[in-house]
Amino acid sequence: SQKIEQNSEALNIQEGKTATLTCNYTNYSPAYLQWYRQDPGRGPVFLLLIRENEKEKRKERLKVTFDTTLKQSLFHITASQPADSATYLCALDYSGGGNKLTFGTGTQLKVEL
Amino acid sequence: DAGVIQSPRHEVTEMGQEVTLRCKPISGHNSLFWYRQTMMRGLELLIYFNNNVPIDDSGMPEDRFSAKMPNASFSTLKIQPSEPRDSAVYFCASSRDSNSGNTIYFGEGSWLTVV
Repeated sequence: SQKIEQNSEALNIQEGKTATLTCNYTNYSPAYLQWYRQDPGRGPVFLLLIRENEKEKRKERLKVTFDTTLKQSLFHITASQPADSATYLCALDYSGGGNKLTFGTGTQLKVEL
Repeated sequence: DAGVIQSPRHEVTEMGQEVTLRCKPISGHNSLFWYRQTMMRGLELLIYFNNNVPIDDSGMPEDRFSAKMPNASFSTLKIQPSEPRDSAVYFCASSRDSNSGNTIYFGEGSWLTVV
């Protein structure tokens, strides 16, 4: 069955450092992968999408890589700030169409002063 | 433009009661999704509609769950009868269409507690 794994343990880092979150998946070769941010008591919010033919994508302080051989995506936040503290979810469309996303369980990031 | 609007935001109900959750997708969006989120299982897709038609309901856990979309601007998720294990956050989401890769916009969720 399809499986998406994200670090279940919370990641604590110091302000100004780079946070790196990992998303591993199995049993599929998705055409793209998405990252979402979720704050407590709120719905997930879309951050970035990366396609299988893109090795890397950037948006401001965010960078996503996509290694289809390793079946892994890395999500980086550079110059992290306390406001970046949230849970980050990766998601794949395992259906091959229809925009049906399967989400990982998320990694909680806490940026400390 | 208003985002996805869900109601109620919070609901506490007794086991056996009927629960109806409501959703208004973003205007112009043709795909609508219902997700459920729990600590144990994370975010799970229950059902999704395209152009008001249910396309895939394989995630609906039991016959106690039903969803409708009578028009492009309204959808309901009903649980009858409710059970304590249905306690979760239920998210409605919409996207412009069903093409893969379209951004999915989530509502703020309906927090359901069944006692």
